[in-house]
Amino acid sequence: EAGVAQSPRYKIIEKRQSVAFWCNPISGHATLYWYQQILGQGPKLLIQFQNNGVVDDSQLPKDRFSAERLKGVDSTLKIQPAKLEDSAVYLCASSPRGNYGYTFGSGTRLTVV
Amino acid sequence: DQQVKQNSPSLSVQEGRISILNCDYTNSMFDYFLWYKKYPAEGPTFLISISSIKDKNEDGRFTVFLNKSAKHLSLHIVPSQPGDSAVYFCAASAGRGGGYQKVTFGTGTKLQVIP
Repeated sequence: EAGVAQSPRYKIIEKRQSVAFWCNPISGHATLYWYQQILGQGPKLLIQFQNNGVVDDSQLPKDRFSAERLKGVDSTLKIQPAKLEDSAVYLCASSPRGNYGYTFGSGTRLTVV
Repeated sequence: DQQVKQNSPSLSVQEGRISILNCDYTNSMFDYFLWYKKYPAEGPTFLISISSIKDKNEDGRFTVFLNKSAKHLSLHIVPSQPGDSAVYFCAASAGRGGGYQKVTFGTGTKLQVIP
């Protein structure tokens, strides 16, 4: 079974620039999550999709972050404009509905300078 | 508000000995608890879980204990092996209606198993 694919692996941008991350979940997994992990902290949920509908985006900074999951498969997370405090690893995970054992991708390490 | 706390940022253990990683939580609505393991440059991987109706779950060298009255859980690794060196995240889940769960992660404990 192929895992959760994420790209790019690393990204360095200047503050106020925009950036986008891509995620391809495990085939058949209806639920997709985006997490932000700041150095020294645990992963924090940004947004959860069930198929192509949003279940929870309460912790997504909507003034600068956006996410979509068209056709209920791939997803993109965008930051515009980026701030220094957005430097983090952005993790995508997927699971069959009701399964707590998420499968995470390797993440995208974003550095904002 | 840190609802899931791992107060030990790091732990060193000799190979073959027991590793005990601790986790405390504050939200009494959590009904499912999980441990994830993370190697550098990789995403976290699911390790073991326990339902709030149980007090112990075992899977090979890994055992998770839950003390609901104390709002405390622990992960025991026996015997510890150098390959167990990683960051371990405690996570807790609560239902939020519609059949969906919200998982909250702790800050992680870095385990080093010394050969």
